[in-house]
Amino acid sequence: EPEVTQTPSHQVTQMGQEVILRCVPISNHLYFYWYRQILGQKVEFLVSFYNNEISEKSEIFDDQFSVERPDGSNFTLKIRSTKLEDSAMYFCASRRVGTSSYEQYFGPGTRLTVT
Amino acid sequence: GIQVEQSPPDLILQEGANSTLRCNFSDSVNNLQWFHQNPWGQLINLFYIPSGTKQNGRLSATTVATERYSLLYISSSQTTDSGVYFCAVGPTGNEKLTFGTGTRLTIIP
Repeated sequence: EPEVTQTPSHQVTQMGQEVILRCVPISNHLYFYWYRQILGQKVEFLVSFYNNEISEKSEIFDDQFSVERPDGSNFTLKIRSTKLEDSAMYFCASRRVGTSSYEQYFGPGTRLTVT
Repeated sequence: GIQVEQSPPDLILQEGANSTLRCNFSDSVNNLQWFHQNPWGQLINLFYIPSGTKQNGRLSATTVATERYSLLYISSSQTTDSGVYFCAVGPTGNEKLTFGTGTRLTIIP
């Protein structure tokens, strides 16, 4: 069964550094998402992406964040200058378009630790 | 935005017991998903169930969309069922999922 994959599984970075989190959505999916979960808290929506542009973003998704689909398979989340409060689990998700289902398929997550 | 409430927040049960987890939401939805977060932090998709009833082994779920709630049933609990269960909803006309705060289930041998 096709799966969403994410790399790396765990990344440690120093405050102020740039990080890029990578995701490979399911191949025939066209809607992509990023969510994050700070330790001990609920999962929060960051951004949705369709047709090569952001369709919706949350208040969390400020100018420090950006998303890109650099080729036909990858979907990336970049944090330009990481802060301690960016430490969290980041989940990528994708879904098909053109069906009656709105189900989102989640990847295993990337645990980001900012020191 | 849409509000999602899960109850109970914590549930401790003996192995073999049955449990019911509840998710209330405040608006009409076109997406409702139940997840189990495992000890490694991964979100395991249990059900996509914006309406109706589904069953998968010892787990089943029912969503009554007109009354804005969903129930997740776990029968004959096993220790591997322990973890946090999240309900997430997608309001009609909106792509993003809003997650509840979860129910932490602990199954004691």
